[in-house]
Amino acid sequence: EIVLTQSPGTLSLSPGERATLSCRASQSVNSNYLTWYQQKPGQAPRLLIYGASNRATGIPDRFSGSGSGTDFTLTISRLDPEDFALYYCQQFGSSLYTFGQGTKLEIK
Amino acid sequence: QVQLQQWGAGLLKPLETLSLTCGVYGGSFSGYFWSWIRQSPGKGLEWIGEINHSGNTNYNPSLKSRIRISVDTSKNQLSLKLRSVTAADTAVYYCARLPRWSIAFDIWGQGTMVTVSS
Repeated sequence: EIVLTQSPGTLSLSPGERATLSCRASQSVNSNYLTWYQQKPGQAPRLLIYGASNRATGIPDRFSGSGSGTDFTLTISRLDPEDFALYYCQQFGSSLYTFGQGTKLEIK
Repeated sequence: QVQLQQWGAGLLKPLETLSLTCGVYGGSFSGYFWSWIRQSPGKGLEWIGEINHSGNTNYNPSLKSRIRISVDTSKNQLSLKLRSVTAADTAVYYCARLPRWSIAFDIWGQGTMVTVSS
């Protein structure tokens, strides 16, 4: 099973700043199968990025994804107040989907 | 606009069977895989298993011995049964759609809180 480790656990930033969230895999991940989600309290996760770098429908272009192999990054170029939430990465490999433990993006 | 609507019992006793159903409204059932995913404070997000419209399934090995996912294409519904529940199965359970071309869960149900307590 591929384990995804996200860092930092909590990221404290101000609106307008740039956020960089990391997702590291215990073994190489097919980039086509690396996904990022956003989750707000009381809501289901929302798809942001699929295939490591493709924005889902309706996702603002301030969100971008990059990376390959074992290291992936979600970048939010200029934080909007609505962006403060939990973020998860997820991968598919060996017929199993696994998620990272999440990064909480909070207002500083 | 495709929507997933879930329902099922929210309070169970240990050793009972969890039973949840997810209805797919406003879109095609075929051509996708449909998953159950759960979220608990202790274990985070955990994928349970998936099924397609033909009934082909794929289960998480850690839960495989206790789960059954089925589909009723006439009603555009999928169902989850999890046997012999314990407190460790307490979680919010979600159904979600997965297009094979993206391998990403693009539409989620609203979630059902299931509590296992004696």
